[in-house]
Amino acid sequence: DAEITQSPRHKITETGRQVTLACHQTWNHNNMFWYRQDLGHGLRLIHYSYGVQDTNKGEVSDGYSVSRSNTEDLPLTLESAASSQTSVYFCASSESSAVGELFFGEGSRLTVL
Amino acid sequence: AQSVSQHNHHVILSEAASLELGCNYSYGGTVNLFWYVQYPGQHLQLLLKYFSGDPLVKGIKGFEAEFIKSKFSFNLRKPSVQWSDTAEYFCAVNAPWAGSYQLTFGKGTKLSVIP
Repeated sequence: DAEITQSPRHKITETGRQVTLACHQTWNHNNMFWYRQDLGHGLRLIHYSYGVQDTNKGEVSDGYSVSRSNTEDLPLTLESAASSQTSVYFCASSESSAVGELFFGEGSRLTVL
Repeated sequence: AQSVSQHNHHVILSEAASLELGCNYSYGGTVNLFWYVQYPGQHLQLLLKYFSGDPLVKGIKGFEAEFIKSKFSFNLRKPSVQWSDTAEYFCAVNAPWAGSYQLTFGKGTKLSVIP
């Protein structure tokens, strides 16, 4: 079955360190997204991509970067982790269709000390 | 840009009670509307979606939602909730016809069902 997987599922890091969260999907979807989930804020869009070599900033992109070198993967990098980036991160993907339903990964819980 | 408002932050119901969760969106064009559910410790799963046709849509687990275009609303309903419906519910919108595939989410409504 096609799926979307995130790794690591849990990570603890220190302020100032670089962190990369991986996202891999086997749906062959063009569109991939990264969201963060925080209490009281719901899910907020960090970055998204509509295809290889395409990346776009979302609502809360400061301090994050992504790259899309193939269809399957959209890694999310925190260049210099900050305590404000402690959150649960969800990767999602979708087809470029009129419906545009998103399929979500299991999430990655990041704690920045 | 789209925005989504969910009116209730936390709803507490007894089993067998009826449920209605409010959702309003703001966008000037054609949108798709979704309700996602997140059970404790899990990822988001699609409950139901509306993109065209009958404005009353039925989803999994007995949930339904009605799209009222004039009110920019997409409220979620269930006639009789169960303890297993305890979860957080998110309304979301996107606008694929405008090339906008990313979902904009509301802040979520936490539902607690008391046995």
